[in-house]
This record gives sequence, structure tokens and C-alpha cells, in this order.
Amino acid sequence: QVQLVQSGFEVEKPGASVKVSCKASGYIFTNYAMNWVRQAPGQGLEWMGWINTDTGSPTYAQGFTGRFVFSLDISVSTAYLQISSLKAEDTAVYYCARDNYDSSGYHYFDSWGQGTLVTVSS
Amino acid sequence: DIQMTQSPSSLSASVGNRVTITCRASQSINKYLNWYQHKPGKAPKLLIYAASSLQSGVPSRFSGSGSGTDFSLTISSLQPEDLATYYCQQSYNTPPETFGQGTKVEI
Repeated sequence: QVQLVQSGFEVEKPGASVKVSCKASGYIFTNYAMNWVRQAPGQGLEWMGWINTDTGSPTYAQGFTGRFVFSLDISVSTAYLQISSLKAEDTAVYYCARDNYDSSGYHYFDSWGQGTLVTVSS
Repeated sequence: DIQMTQSPSSLSASVGNRVTITCRASQSINKYLNWYQHKPGKAPKLLIYAASSLQSGVPSRFSGSGSGTDFSLTISSLQPEDLATYYCQQSYNTPPETFGQGTKVEI
């Protein structure tokens, strides 16, 4: 079955960097794009962007350019989210989510990782 | 960017009640509307895609309707395990993949 397993809880100081992993299994990794979604404390879901797992080309939402980098390691079917120059407001749960399409062209996020809590605190 | 507005922001209902959540898009999105259930501490779960298609494995008490700008998610008979926050998401004009602000359902 399709599974996305994310790396564990991270605590980092302001100014540091963090790299969150999302390991996929149960499907051909390069056939489905991967999205990243953030949930800040007490807030809703916010789409951060996506990465084309076939070409490695990322697309970032407004507000997630510069310090946020999506990457892949195809050999281990894993997507990564790296955040540099961490700020307190980056404290959030970060989710990866697989992008799927149906035969009519509708697309949706059909599998999600369990989430990774990143806490930024001095 | 397309804005998605959900209502209500929260609701409280009893087991067995019929519950309806609405989602309005700032412009027509045809049927490019998905619904997710998010329980505390868990991964979000796809319930409905393309406005009214039930995702495999999702109980039939969940249903979606609408097209254009107005959509709804209905739980026909609320169960205790339905305690969650529900989000709509438009997938018509992307990026960005806009989510609604969420509706918290309390039992």
C-alpha cells in the first residue's frame, strides 16, 4: 500500500537549518508529484509548493521562496524539505502529500505523510 | 489567486445528526474541489475529490456536492470518530493549491 513516512520531531535554534524527509513506498515514486503543506500552531493547512519527481523541478508558493528548498533522492524514493535561516515563525508541522490525478484530469492529494513537527526556539 | 471560504468555522452536533459544511470559491472552479478530514495528531485524509467523488475506503455517510463557486460536504449521520477539522481545497487554477480555513466539528 502507498505510504509516506516522514522524519521525526526537530528542535532547532533560530538561524539554523533543518531538513525534513519524506520516504515513499508502495508505488513508483517518479510517477507522482510531491507536495509540501504547512500547519502552524492553531492555524489551517497552507500549501508550500510541489516538486516534479520526474524532472526534479520545484515550484514554490508565495511566501516560501528563498529559505525553502525541495529536493529528491530518487534512489531511495525520498523527497526532502530544507528550511534555512530558521525563524520562530517557522515552528509548524510540515506534511508531504502525494499528488494524484483521475482520468478526467481532476487532481488531489491522496496520501499524506504523518507530519514532522519543527520547533524553532532559542 | 482563488480564495476559498468555508462556513461555519466550527460547529457542534450530536451523534446521528446530519452535518453540512459549505465552501465558496472566489471565482468559478468548475468541479475542481476536494475535501479533507484532519484529526488532531494525524495526517490529513482525502474524503472527496472532484466535488462529489468519494475516495476509496471513505464511509458512504460522507458526500460532496456543488460546482462553480458553491460546494458542500455532508455527513449524513455524524459518528464519534468524525471529530476533526474539515478543509476544502481548490485544484482548478494552480498554483497555488488553496485550502479553505477549515471547519472544526465537535461532537
